[in-house]
Amino acid sequence: KAGVTQTPRYLIKTRGQQVTLSCSPISGHRSVSWYQQTPGQGLQFLFEYFSETQRNKGNFPGRFSGRQFSNSRSEMNVSTLELGDSALYLCASSLDRVGSPLHFGNGTRLTVT
Amino acid sequence: AQTVTQSQPEMSVQEAETVTLSCTYDTSENNYYLFWYKQPPSRQMILVIRQEAYKQQNATENRFSVNFQKAAKSFSLKISDSQLGDTAMYFCAYGHTGNQFYFGTGTSLTVIP
Repeated sequence: KAGVTQTPRYLIKTRGQQVTLSCSPISGHRSVSWYQQTPGQGLQFLFEYFSETQRNKGNFPGRFSGRQFSNSRSEMNVSTLELGDSALYLCASSLDRVGSPLHFGNGTRLTVT
Repeated sequence: AQTVTQSQPEMSVQEAETVTLSCTYDTSENNYYLFWYKQPPSRQMILVIRQEAYKQQNATENRFSVNFQKAAKSFSLKISDSQLGDTAMYFCAYGHTGNQFYFGTGTSLTVIP
């Protein structure tokens, strides 16, 4: 079974620009979550989507948004990029069952200059 | 709010020796799940072990085992017979309902040959 696929692996953007990251979950997984990983901060929860609906949202500004398509693929968008948005963005999929583990992709490394 | 604390930013262990990584968490819930994830330099977050809070028996996966102390809200990971491939960041995570996980800030483990 193919794992979680994230594209692109690396991105370099300039302050003020916007960016879209893509995530394809494991087949059969309908829940997709996004996390931001920065040194010293660990992983911070951004949001979770299930059946094309945002089910949970973390404490991030409205510049961070996402969506999920009918095939469970998800995109995350960050508008008006700031230097502090530089991070590794991880996507994870899981079964919609309490206690199911998250299965992560390799992440997208975003650098904002 | 749930918090997860890993108080050891860095650790090292000799190859073939045993090492224990610490994790504490805070929650008012009774039923929840705890996880240890490993993140090697390749960035892929890999599930190491999972523990259900309502099970008293400590989880074991080959060389990896946990010491789960529910009353103390402690969840440590023991790695036996350490191997060079165990060198990675290790994250402790807490999950309750839904797929919003809370992660610690990680412990960087180096296995010394």
